[in-house]
Amino acid sequence: NAGVTQTPKFQVLKTGQSMTLQCAQDMNHEYMSWYRQDPGMGLRLIHYSVGAGITDQGEVPNGYNVSRSTTEDFPLRLLSAAPSQTSVYFCASTQLQGNSYEQYFGPGTRLTVT
Amino acid sequence: GQSLEQPSEVTAVEGAIVQINCTYQTSGFYGLSWYQQHDGGAPTFLSYNALDGLEETGRFSSFLSRSDSYGYLLLQELQMKDSASYFCAAIYNQGGKLIFGQGTELSVKP
Repeated sequence: NAGVTQTPKFQVLKTGQSMTLQCAQDMNHEYMSWYRQDPGMGLRLIHYSVGAGITDQGEVPNGYNVSRSTTEDFPLRLLSAAPSQTSVYFCASTQLQGNSYEQYFGPGTRLTVT
Repeated sequence: GQSLEQPSEVTAVEGAIVQINCTYQTSGFYGLSWYQQHDGGAPTFLSYNALDGLEETGRFSSFLSRSDSYGYLLLQELQMKDSASYFCAAIYNQGGKLIFGQGTELSVKP
């Protein structure tokens, strides 16, 4: 049981490049989310998914795309990287049933755009 | 909007009790959760409240009052290792959407 895995751990991109951040969970959780965290700030929701085939925008979706073809995987695509997207990206998976709540974060991807 | 408010920093001494407050927007609100984050690490889940009242998990407790749109995290018997950032996060849309506060930096002094 690996929990939530993210790859890569570190990435440097040039402005205008595209890339995909990978996220996978093996807990059969329904909900998955992507966040970005800038220095000294809270986590801001980029996109989230409530199940395979269903995604929705969060607080800061511009410049990012997601898809959820399986329960396990929730990749985040940067379409054309910009320096403003330099941040730490966290993926999370969540199971929520009534009063029972379970959430785990991946270790994060540290992205620098030059 | 769905913003949350929490104090930016709190300082306390070892062995003391500290309370971190959080207010949230009510539209679509489902529950309130709390997280701890040490420098450079991923957030870790601490506590969750779906109903009004107190939830206790060891030294950490969390409280929710839906009528006041307010919750708090209570940390007892503070230890140096509790120095970290603490985030409240409100769950909306029946669990699909989680919005975080800006975080409270807790410093525990000897």
